[in-house]
Amino acid sequence: DGGITQSPKYLFRKEGQNVTLSCEQNLNHDAMYWYRQDPGQGLRLIYYSQIVNDFQKGDIAEGYSVSREKKESFPLTVTSAQKNPTAFYLCASSPGHTDTQYFGPGTRLTVL
Amino acid sequence: SQQGEEDPQALSIQEGENATMNCSYKTSINNLQWYRQNSGRGLVHLILIRSNEREKHSGRLRVTLDTSKKSSSLLITASRAADTASYFCATDAHNDMRFGAGTRLTVKP
Repeated sequence: DGGITQSPKYLFRKEGQNVTLSCEQNLNHDAMYWYRQDPGQGLRLIYYSQIVNDFQKGDIAEGYSVSREKKESFPLTVTSAQKNPTAFYLCASSPGHTDTQYFGPGTRLTVL
Repeated sequence: SQQGEEDPQALSIQEGENATMNCSYKTSINNLQWYRQNSGRGLVHLILIRSNEREKHSGRLRVTLDTSKKSSSLLITASRAADTASYFCATDAHNDMRFGAGTRLTVKP
């Protein structure tokens, strides 16, 4: 059953703690992306990776970090430096950069 | 930075009516894509139109692209309550994809 998965669906953390969001795909896609979505807003690009062991900052990378050690996985860490981390986080993958993107179901992060 | 901007921000229609959403962008593109998002879910790809195409159809969806005006429209014909969702355009410019803020469509039964 091919697709892209994100876990967990809901995540609660205390202020000042780092938290890592999981994103896995078995579509054999080279490119992967992380977006942040605030209520009633569009998607803002945090980081993207076009190939294993390489990634690029998006428009709002400050306070976030990523790694791409495996083709299938692109975890996002929300660090304590991110001032307003409460948001809906979406991961996506595509065969190549700027191709059609396939999205995961999202993780809703709430920082208390 | 957002490349595409959808218009209107919100649209409310009756079931059976047509819904038209527009997307404007600033720089030249290779392609433009439309996505749909149900509340609290991930986005689903609807249709891709390349810069050398002017119109594309998929079921009840019709997409047009006018590169001279840097704009695209998404038409949903004979709308259904299940079409209620947010619709986003995404453009690739300078080898990066960017999504607009979306149009929130409500179809009343």
